[in-house]
Amino acid sequence: GAVVSQHPSRVICKSGTSVKIECRSLDFQATTMFWYRQFPKQSLMLMATSNEGSKATYEQGVEKDKFLINHASLTLSTLTVTSAHPEDSSFYICSAGQGRGGHQETQYFGPGTRLLVL
Amino acid sequence: AQKVTQAQTEISVVEKEDVTLDCVYETRDTTYYLFWYKQPPSGELVFLIRRNSFDEQNEISGRYSWNFQKSTSSFNFTITASQVVDSAVYFCALSELPLKGTYKYIFGTGTRLKVLA
Repeated sequence: GAVVSQHPSRVICKSGTSVKIECRSLDFQATTMFWYRQFPKQSLMLMATSNEGSKATYEQGVEKDKFLINHASLTLSTLTVTSAHPEDSSFYICSAGQGRGGHQETQYFGPGTRLLVL
Repeated sequence: AQKVTQAQTEISVVEKEDVTLDCVYETRDTTYYLFWYKQPPSGELVFLIRRNSFDEQNEISGRYSWNFQKSTSSFNFTITASQVVDSAVYFCALSELPLKGTYKYIFGTGTRLKVLA
């Protein structure tokens, strides 16, 4: 149980294009989903928290117009990197919280998406 | 301020050795949760354990064991008889009730474990 999928696993795109990444909880409903970014040999950096049916909450320094998040259902959240540039190249990871909500939830992580912007 | 410290950046051990990964946390709250995750080279974080602040019992799962000590704000992770497949980056995380908004994890910087054959 508690499986989270992420698609695509890897994407290469040209500078200026937009890229959409999907995150799905396959066997549970997730009120809250999270989007992280990870640079090589570094820890995870939280970008935003996504609640179903409401606007995402972005961390300080994360451009919400650059990284569009939609949490359309209890099993799906999407991250769109708009007008991607080489500095957006990174490993993007989503997670879904399983539980009754709140800080006792366990986050289950997707396999990640490696984005390379040329 | 909430903070998670994993002072060991990288550890190398020879197969079958025991190894302990340290995690020290800071929190303002009395109710919080602690987690350990494993990130193998493939990149996907794998959940290992969750512990709430009121349960100080140590836990053992196969070759894995965890020692939670509130008095020293530590939640250390021991792998017994390490194997090459244990090679990964291990993250400790803290989750506490937020003053406002949605909860979030505070991650440590991770410890890279290399188990040599």
